[in-house]
Parts: sequence; structure tokens; C-alpha cells
Amino acid sequence: DGGITQSPKYLFRKEGQNVTLSCEQNLNHDAMYWYRQDPGQGLRLIYYSQIVNDFQKGDIAEGYSVSREKKESFPLTVTSAQKNPTAFYLCASSRTSGRGTDTQYFGPGTRLTVL
Amino acid sequence: GDSVTQMEGPVTLSEEAFLTINCTYTATGYPSLFWYVQYPGEGLQLLLKATKADDKGSNKGFEATYRKETTSFHLEKGSVQVSDSAVYFCALSGEGRRALTFGSGTRLQVQP
Repeated sequence: DGGITQSPKYLFRKEGQNVTLSCEQNLNHDAMYWYRQDPGQGLRLIYYSQIVNDFQKGDIAEGYSVSREKKESFPLTVTSAQKNPTAFYLCASSRTSGRGTDTQYFGPGTRLTVL
Repeated sequence: GDSVTQMEGPVTLSEEAFLTINCTYTATGYPSLFWYVQYPGEGLQLLLKATKADDKGSNKGFEATYRKETTSFHLEKGSVQVSDSAVYFCALSGEGRRALTFGSGTRLQVQP
């Protein structure tokens, strides 16, 4: 079955530690995205990538880093510089047709809690 | 910049009631509009979309019409079920920006 997988589902981190969230897709999509969701709020864009070895900052990139070494994978690292990292993190992917009409497909999410 | 405004929830309805969740947007040009649904503890699923003015998206009994003149994309369903209880997000994809801009979400609770 094609889809997007995120792991782990739940993640606990101590303050001052970096942590990496995994996102893998087998939909053969070019574009991948990371969003953050806080309780009672919509999703906010952290980073996105339209092609391998290229990525751009979103609206709230500070304290996060990404890599895109393979088309299928787009891991997100939450660094110790992120002041309030406790949130639900969602990864998404889409085709890149050059237009905004492409549907984004979402993974099941990773809930990160800083202790 | 682009923005999406949704009615605040929670919206509480009895089974078989009519549902409307309002969504208005601000964007330049001709964005594409989407409704996503999120069940507890899960990611988002696309419910429906419309890519040009006057298009009507529909799926699973839900409908929304892209109204350019009122910059709106209201979600409707004629008869809700308990299984429709979830959080609904309106979103747009603006010209020149492939990432989505989301509204804050509206929680729907359907009581038997």
C-alpha cells in the first residue's frame, strides 16, 4: 500500500537534547513538507522540499533542521534551540506539478513531549 | 499574506442534523481550496477540494463551493452521523506557494 509513515508515534525528550523525527513516503512524490500542530490551532509550516537535496524554510523554521538526501525520506530534527518543542508534528507529500492544485497527503503524525 | 478564517467550535449537533462550517479566505489571485478532516490522534485526510471559482467539491455527503465573490468555501452536509465527529480544517494553496495555509480548525461533535 502506498502512503506516508512517521515514526515514532510518541516521543519524549529531555530539555537540551536534539531529536529526529522520521518521515518516509512511497508515493513517488517530489515534494515533502513538515507542519507543526498545537492544541486548538491550525497547522503551521516548518520546512518544505520540492526536490532531492533542496529545501526551504517555512513560517516557523527556527530551532528545526531538515535534510532531503533521498526522494522517499525527509527527516526533521528538533534542536535544543527550539524553545517550545512540545507539539504534534505532521509530515506531508505531494506531486510537484508547478501548480497549487496538487493534494497533500499526510502521515499519522508524531507527538513530541519535552520533559 | 494568505490567511484562512474558520468558525470557532466546538459545533455540537444531533445525529441527522444539517451541518455548516464557515470558511473564508484572503489570498491574491486564484488559490486552490481544501477541506481536511482529522480524527483523534491521527493525521489529516483530504475530504474535498476545489481548484477554481464556482467549482463544487464533494465527498462522503460533504460539499463545498468555491465562491470567489465572497471569498468563501463553506462546508455542508445534509445529515451528519456520529462517525463524522472530528476536527475539520479549511486550507488554501496560494499562487506561488505550494505549502498549505490552514485555518484553526473546527471541532464537530455529533450526539446520537
